[in-house]
Amino acid sequence: RKEVEQDPGPFNVPEGATVAFNCTYSNSASQSFFWYRQDCRKEPKLLMSVYSSGNEDGRFTAQLNRASQYISLLIRDSKLSDSATYLCVVFLSGGYNKLIFGAGTRLAVHP
Amino acid sequence: GAGVSQTPSNKVTEKGKYVELRCDPISGHTALYWYRQSLGQGPEFLIYFQGTGAADDSGLPNDRFFAVRPEGSVSTLKIQRTERGDSAVYLCASSLGSEQFFGPGTRLTVL
Repeated sequence: RKEVEQDPGPFNVPEGATVAFNCTYSNSASQSFFWYRQDCRKEPKLLMSVYSSGNEDGRFTAQLNRASQYISLLIRDSKLSDSATYLCVVFLSGGYNKLIFGAGTRLAVHP
Repeated sequence: GAGVSQTPSNKVTEKGKYVELRCDPISGHTALYWYRQSLGQGPEFLIYFQGTGAADDSGLPNDRFFAVRPEGSVSTLKIQRTERGDSAVYLCASSLGSEQFFGPGTRLTVL
């Protein structure tokens, strides 16, 4: 079983749609959680951190459920520029200090 | 300011050859990471340096892979006797805290 699992997609949605991505992780010692965005043939870039209390950044809302080991990302009012791969990431600290990435969920927003 | 840089951006080599991939982290970042990303997958952790020493090399796939960071800044990933399965994008990241900043990667193709 992979440490971080995501639906690979692709999610094909029209502009203005709301889309949700889900992710599960297996290591209960995971300390921090993130969503990264990766454009085609580019490096991953941090989109947002994820907290148990939930956090929002403009059109993006992230949520963490530690009991279920589940992370979500909601994108409202999708834009063409949101088309990318979204990577669910957990950070293992305490001497590990490494990011564990999911395989990514591909989003394609069309006019 | 300058981000993480990696050279070369592309490297094509023949099976059995030796290659070196270079990473210049963000100035002042003490932590440096190497990841490998295969097509359709998320980045996979290889090795983590804190200063000059490799704090965690558990992700290196076998003893053909080796990395150094002799002065605590620039790092070189070395791959001996390359195999076709080594073809991937090799990403370097650096950090001061939990957020890791990625370089553009080196695309390695082993023919």
